[in-house]
Amino acid sequence: DTGVSQNPRHKITKRGQNVTFRCDPISEHNRLYWYRQTLGQGPEFLTYFQNEAQLEKSRLLSDRFSAERPKGSFSTLEIQRTEQGDSAMYLCASSTGPGLNEKLFFGSGTQLSVL
Amino acid sequence: LAKTTQPISMDSYEGQEVNITCSHNNIATNDYITWYQQFPSQGPRFIIQGYKTKVTNEVASLFIPADRKSSTLSLPRVSLSDTAVYYCLVGVDTGRRALTFGSGTRLQVQP
Repeated sequence: DTGVSQNPRHKITKRGQNVTFRCDPISEHNRLYWYRQTLGQGPEFLTYFQNEAQLEKSRLLSDRFSAERPKGSFSTLEIQRTEQGDSAMYLCASSTGPGLNEKLFFGSGTQLSVL
Repeated sequence: LAKTTQPISMDSYEGQEVNITCSHNNIATNDYITWYQQFPSQGPRFIIQGYKTKVTNEVASLFIPADRKSSTLSLPRVSLSDTAVYYCLVGVDTGRRALTFGSGTRLQVQP
């Protein structure tokens, strides 16, 4: 068990640029989540996948955000035309869900700074 | 989703027991209660989970009264390394509903 891996750890970009983050979940986990967290706040849910199917998207996820999980393994989160308000920590989590007692395993996150 | 309410912050000293209570008045029959710990610049880490009564592991204990409208995370003999944010989550998988975090409780342990 190597844990949930996220790359890059840090990303600095200029407003208007596109960025892509990658998440590699724990290998046997079929659920994968993306969260966003700003300073002093708890993680906000963005979207999640059950295998390769994207089952739910938050209203926070504007048209500029897109997530994929081809083949039900790793996932990517792309933000197009970044804005300063997109600056945040983007967290990925995986689980063996569904189940009544689902436990999430998080990566260390990607810290995005939009200048 | 059951809404949770936790204290915003708590202070303690090394060696003391810390109890953090979470209120979840509209918890559903099938909901589990899960606590996570988060250090700065890291993702949350699972601590403990329970459904009713008491659960204990090597890190913490979780006390859940019979009505399940609240729960208490108990950290025995805290150390400086327990300084973190603690989140209480209540929810159940329905196939199309994601777990939601609140703002958590910031625990500051002092020497």
